[in-house]
Amino acid sequence: AQSVTQPDIHITVSEGASLELRCNYSYGATPYLFWYVQSPGQGLQLLLKYFSGDTLVQGIKGFEAEFKRSQSSFNLRKPSVHWSDAAEYFCAVNTGFQKLVFGTGTRLLVSP
Amino acid sequence: EADIYQTPRYLVIGTGKKITLECSQTMGHDKMYWYQQDPGMELHLIHYSYGVNSTEKGDLSSESTVSRIRTEHFPLTLESARPSHTSQYLCASSTWEGEAEAFFGQGTRLTVV
Repeated sequence: AQSVTQPDIHITVSEGASLELRCNYSYGATPYLFWYVQSPGQGLQLLLKYFSGDTLVQGIKGFEAEFKRSQSSFNLRKPSVHWSDAAEYFCAVNTGFQKLVFGTGTRLLVSP
Repeated sequence: EADIYQTPRYLVIGTGKKITLECSQTMGHDKMYWYQQDPGMELHLIHYSYGVNSTEKGDLSSESTVSRIRTEHFPLTLESARPSHTSQYLCASSTWEGEAEAFFGQGTRLTVV
């Protein structure tokens, strides 16, 4: 069955430093991949998505992600983190049946 | 403005009460979903719908029920609330395309005392 693994439960990054959040998926074919962000007490907002073409995708708020088929990964990156980026980040896969499968999330903490 | 709305945002209710969580979207999406999320945990799909009069159980078993009488409306009902139902419930909608993202409401945080 399809699954998504986010190995880091918490990550702390200094403001201004770079960020990489890891995501690995398990699925036979090329999946549709998404990164969502959730602020406390809020719903989920889409940061970016990948479904074909260029393996490096740009999203909102300065985020980007790279799809690597050989590693079954879709890691999220940002070159310089802002305090407002502190939130929970979820990687998700849609296997074509339009049922999103989410990872367990990574909580990002930003230190001054 | 096209959006997806959930009401109430917060609900504290006694054990045994019947509750309905409302979800409405103005984007004309055929597909709608309910996810359950415990604090700091992943999202679990509990119900989904492909359109009017279509409802399916999700991957996580739930005692709740849903209905889809109108395209824009996808309410979730608990006939008899229990403390184990305490959680956050997120509603979402999407179009049919596989690459289409799901749009989420702000969620309802339910506490059963």
